[in-house]
Formats: sequence, C-alpha cells, structure tokens
Amino acid sequence: AQSVSQHNHHVILSEAASLELGCNYSYGGTVNLFWYVQYPGQHLQLLLKYFSGDPLVKGIKGFEAEFIKSKFSFNLRKPSVQWSDTAEYFCAVSRNSGNTPLVFGKGTRLSVIA
Amino acid sequence: DGGITQSPKYLFRKEGQNVTLSCEQNLNHDAMYWYRQDPGQGLRLIYYSQIVNDFQKGDIAEGYSVSREKKESFPLTVTSAQKNPTAFYLCASRGRQGSYLGNTEAFFGQGTRLTVV
Repeated sequence: AQSVSQHNHHVILSEAASLELGCNYSYGGTVNLFWYVQYPGQHLQLLLKYFSGDPLVKGIKGFEAEFIKSKFSFNLRKPSVQWSDTAEYFCAVSRNSGNTPLVFGKGTRLSVIA
Repeated sequence: DGGITQSPKYLFRKEGQNVTLSCEQNLNHDAMYWYRQDPGQGLRLIYYSQIVNDFQKGDIAEGYSVSREKKESFPLTVTSAQKNPTAFYLCASRGRQGSYLGNTEAFFGQGTRLTVV
C-alpha cells in the first residue's frame, strides 16, 4: 500500500525566513503528487501538483515543490514566508494510472511569527 | 458557482445514536470520498465511490456506512458501532481525465465537525 511521510509535525518560523517541508512516499510506480493547504477555519485548497514533465513545479502564493524520483520525495519550498502562511500543509500521492484515491501524509503545522 | 457542500458544519450526537453527514457536489465529478481528520493523524480514508451505485471501503471503514444513489450525493452515516466518532469529516470529489482519476486533483468541502456528547 502507498504511504506518505511528512517529517515535521510542527514548524515555527519568523517572517521572511525560508521554508522547506519534507514529503516522502513509498510507492514505486508512477505517481501524481500534491500539496494541499488548510488555513485556520477554511477548507483544504490545492497549492500545487505534479503529474509529469518539469520536476520543479510552481504553485500559488509563491510556493514551489521539487519531485526527486530517486529519493521518492516531493518537498515544498517557499523562499520567504509571511504571517499569512500560517496553516497546516498536507502532502498527498495517487497512482498515475488506475483510480486509486489520494493518500495523505499526517500534515505539518506551520506557525509564522512576526 | 461549482463546489462541494457539506452540511451541517457542526453536529452533536449522543452516544448510541446514528448520524448522517451530507455531501453534495455540482462539479459533475464521478468520484467522491470521505476522509476523517484528527489532530496529528492527517486525513484518513473512510469510504470512496468512483461511480454511482458503487463504493469501496477505505482504511478506516469500520463503524461507517455510505450510499451513492446519485452522482451528486455521497452521504456518510456514522453508526453507533464507531468507537471514537468525534472528529472532523471531509468530503471530496474528483473528476476524470480520460479513463483515469490519477491525473486530477481532489476538491474538498468545508467539513463537518462531529462531537459525541
């Protein structure tokens, strides 16, 4: 079965610091990868996704992620965080073929302090 | 505008009672999902349905039941057999690209917070 590991449970950063959240998955076949964000009191929103092509994908609000196939990783990055980035971030994976559901990691809570 | 509607937003249930959570989508998506979110546990799959009148168990289906009689609707019943039902429940849907769901993202509703009192 697929699984997704997010290494950090809670990350605290000051505004303008750089962010990198780790995500590793355990499926050996071709996968699609996603990062979702859940702002306080809001529903899950898609930040970015990787299906194929350029392994460096750019998403909304200045976020990007890099797919490294050899490391089974899809880490999320942002060069300079803002207080408004305070949220919970979820990595998810699904198989490229077939109709399997998205499998989510346990999430990383990001707190950005002024 | 298109989206997923979950109702109610907050729900209180007495122990021993069944309760049904509503999920409706107008995105014309084939697949619908129910996830449970607990602090520090991420999202865990309860049930999913890829087509009307068909559904499959997810990782934590015990104590839950679903139906998919219409494409737009995928209600979740939390039964009295669910030992720890207090949680945040999220419904999602996903469309197809060609024959597969794999190349598409999931869209989520606002969630229902269920509390057993």
